Parts: sequence; C-alpha cells; structure tokens
Amino acid sequence: NAGVTQTPKFRILKIGQSMTLQCTQDMNHNYMYWYRQDPGMGLKLIYYSVGAGITDKGEVPNGYNVSRSTTEDFPLRLELAAPSQTSVYFCASSYSQGPQETQYFGPGTRLLVL
Amino acid sequence: AQTVTQSQPEMSVQEAETVTLSCTYDTSESDYYLFWYKQPPSRQMILVIRQEAYKQQNATENRFSVNFQKAAKSFSLKISDSQLGDAAMYFCAYRIFLQGGSEKLVFGKGTKLTVNP
Repeated sequence: NAGVTQTPKFRILKIGQSMTLQCTQDMNHNYMYWYRQDPGMGLKLIYYSVGAGITDKGEVPNGYNVSRSTTEDFPLRLELAAPSQTSVYFCASSYSQGPQETQYFGPGTRLLVL
Repeated sequence: AQTVTQSQPEMSVQEAETVTLSCTYDTSESDYYLFWYKQPPSRQMILVIRQEAYKQQNATENRFSVNFQKAAKSFSLKISDSQLGDAAMYFCAYRIFLQGGSEKLVFGKGTKLTVNP
C-alpha cells in the first residue's frame, strides 16, 4: 500500500510550457485534492474531486485543469506556465467526509517556472 | 472568512523538553474539525493530531496533545519529551465542507520548530 504518490518530484519549466503533474492513490479513496504551497505559506486548494468524472474548482484554480477518469488517478495540468506558478504542489485523498476521515498527502512536486 | 492564524513563525526547544505551538482560528460554524500537520524537510504533510469541535476532551496522541479552547477559538499543540525527529514545520488547519460533499482544509502559515540537542 503506497498511499498517495506523485510524479515528478521536481521539475523546471520555461514560461509558456505545459506539463502534467501526476497523482495516484491506492487506497480506493473517493475524494482527491490538489493544493499548492507557496514559500512561507500554508496550502491553498486548487481543484478537488468527489469521484471519477466529477471535479470542481477550489480557491486558486486559474491556470490549471484537472480530470478524473479513474478513482486512482487525479492529474493536474498546467497550461502556459507562468512564474507565479512556481510552488510546491501536493495531492491528497480521503475516503469520505465523515468525522473520522482525514486527508492523506503525497510527498509533493516542486515546480520552478523560469 | 475562514482563517487560521499561527502567531509564532519559529520556535525552538531543547531535546527532551516540552514546547507549545499556538493556533487561533475564525469560524461561525459550531461543528468543525481541527488538525495539526507536520511537514519535515521531505515536504510530505503528515497528520499529527485532530480534534472534533463537539468533543470537550482534548485529543492526545502519544507525546502530542492539544489544548482546545472552543470559546476562545484556540487550538494549541503541546509536544512533550521533544525529539530531534520532531524538527519540522507545523501547520494548524481547520476543515470546512464544500458543496458536493467534499471538504477543504484551511491552513495557517506554519511554525518552524527547531529541536536543539
């Protein structure tokens, strides 16, 4: 049971390039999330999904897109990368929203846009 | 607005001593959940402890405990018998529920904890 895995660990992009951050969980969780963490700050929600085929915007969705074709995978797409998207990106998952549930985080992807 | 405030950007503690990290939050809801997450240099977010607002008893997980003051909207983390492995960024978070049945964690800016040998 690997939990939540993310690839790549680190990536440098040039302004205007595109890339996809991969996220996979093997816990059969319905809910998945993408966060970004800027230096010295807490996490902010980009997008989330309550199940395969269902996604919705979080707090800071501009410049990103997501899809959820399977329960396990929740990729985050960056189109036309900008320096403001330099950040650490965390994927998380949870089984449901019950009182005992919590979110399990992946190790993060560090992205540098130059 | 849902906010979480951690007023201590950095803290330090001697190994084997006790340290308390502060957190206050702002909410109009009566039922919610609070969390402390640890982020070591590996950057992975690790759940340390959680507290349900409807429970008066403070949560405890081994050397970690909280002081939950609901009226004051305060949720501090106490680490007893500090160990070198406790050195990390600690984030206080508040959980709210979104439309569609999902949830969102609102995070504070974090407190960097240094453990001195």
